[in-house]
Amino acid sequence: GENVEQHPSTLSVQEGDSAVIKCTYSDSASNYFPWYKQELGKRPQLIIDIRSNVGEKKDQRIAVTLNKTAKHFSLHITETQPEDSAVYFCAASVFGNEKLTFGTGTRLTIIP
Amino acid sequence: GAVVSQHPSWVICKSGTSVKIECRSLDFQATTMFWYRQFPKQSLMLMATSNEGSKATYEQGVEKDKFLINHASLTLSTLTVTSAHPEDSSFYICSAKTGNNYEQYFGPGTRLTVT
Repeated sequence: GENVEQHPSTLSVQEGDSAVIKCTYSDSASNYFPWYKQELGKRPQLIIDIRSNVGEKKDQRIAVTLNKTAKHFSLHITETQPEDSAVYFCAASVFGNEKLTFGTGTRLTIIP
Repeated sequence: GAVVSQHPSWVICKSGTSVKIECRSLDFQATTMFWYRQFPKQSLMLMATSNEGSKATYEQGVEKDKFLINHASLTLSTLTVTSAHPEDSSFYICSAKTGNNYEQYFGPGTRLTVT
């Protein structure tokens, strides 16, 4: 089955700086890669996703890049703000299989 | 749109009893629903996938007789934790998707504490 690794497990950045979280996946058939933000005790919230037919997607301060050859994808958050502090999860799935396999999570702390 | 609710939001039960958790898609028909378990400071682990009117497909290591899943309609799935034990204490989250959409919509989660 699919295996998704995520690094780093914790990340602290100064407010206004950029944060980068990286994930690798094992199943070359995976073609959908969402990123979720989860605050303590809350549901995961989809913040951005990318499909395998594109290499990069951006939504305001958030961007995701995908390298299918290397089987890795990354989340980039620019101009970080205190409200960006949360746990972030990457995930991967094969369309049609429907199952999401989650990474282990990254606890992002923005230092004011 | 695409709202998923769960009930209850939290529940405390005694060891040996059973607990039922409901997951509802409020404004769309969910052809597929998923149940996840999340222990403190850990990731979401898929427990099972259910399609309306069909038996659930359980992930390896998940006891189907202990975690009973019913997906009786396109808007409701239930997870029953039978003979609960303290080690079953966790955050249970459902999600739902419809048709050929990629995105899963997550419920707010149910915190189960077994004493």
